[in-house]
Amino acid sequence: DIQMTQSPSSLSASVGDRVSITCRASHGISRYLNWYQQKPGKAPKLLIYAASSLQSGVPLRFSGSGSGTDFTLTISSLQPEDFATYYCQQSDTKPFTFGPGTKVDIK
Amino acid sequence: QVQLQESGPGVVKPSGTLSLTCAVSGGSISTSNWWSWVRQPPGKGLEWIGEIFHTGDTNYNPSLKSRVTISVDKSKNQFSLKLTSVTAADTAVYYCARGENSGNYGVFSDIWGQGTRVIVSS
Repeated sequence: DIQMTQSPSSLSASVGDRVSITCRASHGISRYLNWYQQKPGKAPKLLIYAASSLQSGVPLRFSGSGSGTDFTLTISSLQPEDFATYYCQQSDTKPFTFGPGTKVDIK
Repeated sequence: QVQLQESGPGVVKPSGTLSLTCAVSGGSISTSNWWSWVRQPPGKGLEWIGEIFHTGDTNYNPSLKSRVTISVDKSKNQFSLKLTSVTAADTAVYYCARGENSGNYGVFSDIWGQGTRVIVSS
């Protein structure tokens, strides 16, 4: 299986901050990388697919970059509704594995 | 607007079989999409269980393959998950999701059910 890691595991930030989350794959996965946001008690929500494509309806403050083994999710200006846990997922090789998540909370 | 809704028992006895159904509404299950199951143990991350195409083709996570069966019922526009020989480690929220193809760079899950909590307990 392809192992996914994320850093940091958690972070505290303020509204308006620029936030970046890193995801690393154990093997090269080209751009087969998705990002999801999950709030407590809710299903994951797709933010970014194919490493940098913004899902319809997702605010432009979210962006993704990277290819190969290293990827980044960036929130340009953190909003109150962005406090959540973020997961990366590789879709290069089955089983499609997720990273362990990064929890973003209020400083 | 396609919507997914999971249903099934909230409690399953150890060594028993977990059976869940995902009803697809607002669209047909017989499309170019794959339909998947993902689970999340309490306080933990997400685990991909497997997926099915409307033709019945399946892919499973090797870690669960010996215990998992995913099936489709096109007449009812739904797909199902069966997990046998369950233990406390199978306690989780189970989600169904629709897999959409990005074209060049793999599949992503763009529509999710709300999730159903399953507890394995006697």
